[in-house]
Amino acid sequence: GAVVSQHPSRVICKSGTSVKIECRSLDFQATTMFWYRQFPKQSLMLMATSNEGSKATYEQGVEKDKFLINHASLTLSTLTVTSAHPEDSSFYICSARVEGGPINEQFFGPGTRLTVL
Amino acid sequence: EDQVTQSPEALRLQEGESSSLNCSYTVSGLRGLFWYRQDPGKGPEFLFTLYSAGEEKEKERLKATLTKKESFLHITAPKPEDSATYLCAVQLTSGTYKYIFGTGTRLKVLA
Repeated sequence: GAVVSQHPSRVICKSGTSVKIECRSLDFQATTMFWYRQFPKQSLMLMATSNEGSKATYEQGVEKDKFLINHASLTLSTLTVTSAHPEDSSFYICSARVEGGPINEQFFGPGTRLTVL
Repeated sequence: EDQVTQSPEALRLQEGESSSLNCSYTVSGLRGLFWYRQDPGKGPEFLFTLYSAGEEKEKERLKATLTKKESFLHITAPKPEDSATYLCAVQLTSGTYKYIFGTGTRLKVLA
């Protein structure tokens, strides 16, 4: 149980284009999902908290107009990197929190490797 | 300021050589502390949750402990397949359920 998927696993795009990454909780509902980015040999940096049916909460320094988050259902959140540039190249990982009960763990997706040329 | 620090940054062990990884935290209020394992190019895999000082959890060769200031991940008789980056994260009592991650410990176990 508690499986999170991401699609695509890897994407290469040209500078200036937009890229959408999907995060799905496969066997549970998730009112709250989280989006992280990770640079090589570094830890995970939280970008935003995605809330089903409401606006995402962005961490300080993260441009909300550049990283658009939509959480339209209890099993799907999307991250769109708009007008991507080479500096946006990174490993993007989502996680989901199991709703209800005492469990507070986040379960992570396999990640999406974004390369912007 | 809430802070999580892991040490050492990197660790090389011989197969069978037991050791411990440290996660120190300074936070306003701890809801829980979480350990994850991350393999290269993959998302973190959940290992343990610890909620209160004195609590211990075990899974195969791994054992996690918690005090009021730090957590240890003990690895007993490690095998090469235990090689990975181990991440700890804390969740605060205030606000949302978001994590604050430590910087991670890169573990390499040599055969």
